[in-house]
Amino acid sequence: GAVVSQHPSRVICKSGTSVKIECRSLDFQATTMFWYRQFPKKSLMLMATSNEGSKATYEQGVEKDKFLINHASLTLSTLTVTSAHPEDSSFYICSATTVGYEQYFGPGTRLTVT
Amino acid sequence: ELKVEQNPLFLSMQEGKNYTIYCNYSTTSDRLYWYRQDPGKSLESLFVLLSNGAVKQEGRLMASLDTKARLSTLHITAAVHDLSATYFCAVAGNQFYFGTGTSLTVIP
Repeated sequence: GAVVSQHPSRVICKSGTSVKIECRSLDFQATTMFWYRQFPKKSLMLMATSNEGSKATYEQGVEKDKFLINHASLTLSTLTVTSAHPEDSSFYICSATTVGYEQYFGPGTRLTVT
Repeated sequence: ELKVEQNPLFLSMQEGKNYTIYCNYSTTSDRLYWYRQDPGKSLESLFVLLSNGAVKQEGRLMASLDTKARLSTLHITAAVHDLSATYFCAVAGNQFYFGTGTSLTVIP
């Protein structure tokens, strides 16, 4: 089956610093990648949709200057949380799609901002 | 915007019992997904339902889809402790719209 990896799985950073999260499709080329955020005991909230070589489409209320998304290739998308603050602490999950109807989810990244 | 509601939000059930989780959605879609999430983990795909009347079964879980009623169900048969997790449905529109989730606890 299609595999999506995320790195790192856990990260702790200090307030004011930036952190980058990578999402890779390991055995397929992803036409589209999605970034979600999940608060404890809540559902997934879509942050943005990215397509290789084009600017990401952000959902309403998501600050594009704070959550920078780069989709450099058909197998890699990155989410950079800039000037992180404690309220950015969350579980971030990426997913990837190819031709068809499935979304393949990464294992998630737990971000803690101190 | 497509709305997806699940009920119940929390479910505590005894081992060996049966129960059904409901997923209602607001506008037409012919693709519905069920996922399982364990604490601290990402989503595990359970079922993909692609047409009206679709029914899929895996072990003690069975999912069905009624596109006319905009309703999907996830039925649990003879629950066991290992089924304790949070279950999400998701409906495909121009993006995935996730339900609120159902936190299931199976008590011995």
